[in-house]
Amino acid sequence: AQSVAQPEDQVNVAEGNPLTVKCTYSVSGNPYLFWYVQYPNRGLQFLLKYITGDNLVKGSYGFEAEFNKSQTSFHLKKPSALVSDSALYFCAVRLNTNAGKSTFGDGTTLTVKP
Amino acid sequence: DTEVTQTPKHLVMGMTNKKSLKCEQHMGHRAMYWYKQKAKKPPELMFVYSYEKLSINESVPSRFSPECPNSSLLNLHLHALQPEDSALYLCASSQDTAEPYEQYFGPGTRLTVT
Repeated sequence: AQSVAQPEDQVNVAEGNPLTVKCTYSVSGNPYLFWYVQYPNRGLQFLLKYITGDNLVKGSYGFEAEFNKSQTSFHLKKPSALVSDSALYFCAVRLNTNAGKSTFGDGTTLTVKP
Repeated sequence: DTEVTQTPKHLVMGMTNKKSLKCEQHMGHRAMYWYKQKAKKPPELMFVYSYEKLSINESVPSRFSPECPNSSLLNLHLHALQPEDSALYLCASSQDTAEPYEQYFGPGTRLTVT
């Protein structure tokens, strides 16, 4: 079984401030973790993923995420938010034994205010 | 070319109509997916095709019928839909399903059932 939780429906930050979008997961094996972003009226766009190795993963548009096995978390971060980062963010998890099937969190709406 | 295209962008159909959604990718990906997404909710997996064979059907009602004519094309045939089937239908592809490759999403077809 696999599940992922995004505890915050909404995150608001000021432009230029650091941002964090939280994700925790629950799996019965080794997880593969992903972050996707969705802009209004668009499909999802891949940001970054954790497979194995270095716990700090760097992705597109200056985003990074840290895999924390003990806390079962994979929070998305960016040092300095832009207004254009405002979007809906989804964390997803899949197992290596669950070919093709990813489970998505409920999503977090990020709003960056000028 | 890292694009997944979907047609049509919008579709309005009556409950007795038959229509089809189309998806195309030219990235050489061997896995293709259909998702259903309601507003501000996570995408819900419907079907997965791996090497042109249906590998996952998430207990989707038979009024939705997927088809994968070749490795680049994915169709979703619709018949006798219900108003609650109104949603954004997303197509995605990935290199394959055996490894944790990221998915590339199309912009979606916004379906309204009247």
